[in-house]
Amino acid sequence: DGGITQSPKYLFRKEGQNVTLSCEQNLNHDAMYWYRQDPGQGLRLIYYSQIVNDFQKGDIAEGYSVSREKKESFPLTVTSAQKNPTAFYLCATIQTGGAGQPQHFGDGTRLSIL
Amino acid sequence: QQQVKQSPQSLIVQKGGISIINCAYENTAFDYFPWYQQFPGKGPALLIAIRPDVSEKKEGRFTISFNKSAKQFSLHIMDSQPGDSATYFCAASKDLGRLYFGRGTQLTVWP
Repeated sequence: DGGITQSPKYLFRKEGQNVTLSCEQNLNHDAMYWYRQDPGQGLRLIYYSQIVNDFQKGDIAEGYSVSREKKESFPLTVTSAQKNPTAFYLCATIQTGGAGQPQHFGDGTRLSIL
Repeated sequence: QQQVKQSPQSLIVQKGGISIINCAYENTAFDYFPWYQQFPGKGPALLIAIRPDVSEKKEGRFTISFNKSAKQFSLHIMDSQPGDSATYFCAASKDLGRLYFGRGTQLTVWP
């Protein structure tokens, strides 16, 4: 079944700890995105990658880091520098160059502070 | 600066009524305007999308109306059902690049 898998579904972070959220896709899409969702704030772009080994900062990249070593995988690390990490994190993909191709989303990871 | 502004923030509609959600954008280079539907604990799913060369697109009970000169577009849900209760996001992009999202509308349809 083609799709985007985000894991874990729930994650708890202790003070001063880095945590990594996983995003894996088997849609063979080139571009992958990470969004943060807070109540009443919509979806805000953290990082995105349009090709392997390349990525760009989004609107709220501070306190986060990513890597894109494989086409299928785009993990997000929430570092201790991110002082307010509690949110719902969504990964999305899109096939660049396609006409009318929608952006597909995973089912998210909810991160909370212990 | 928010690229896409969405209203209202919340909407309560009686079953069988019409739900209307409005969005406005600033960047005239945007050429793709999707609407996403999100249920609690799930990722958003594409509902319907429009390009600026048409003024209206209908899929079942869902219709997008697009006004290029006013830089506005709206989602109409006809015969609203309790199962339509969800959060709706409008968005815009250029050349199918990154999407700019509105802040969302929480729709409640009560029986």
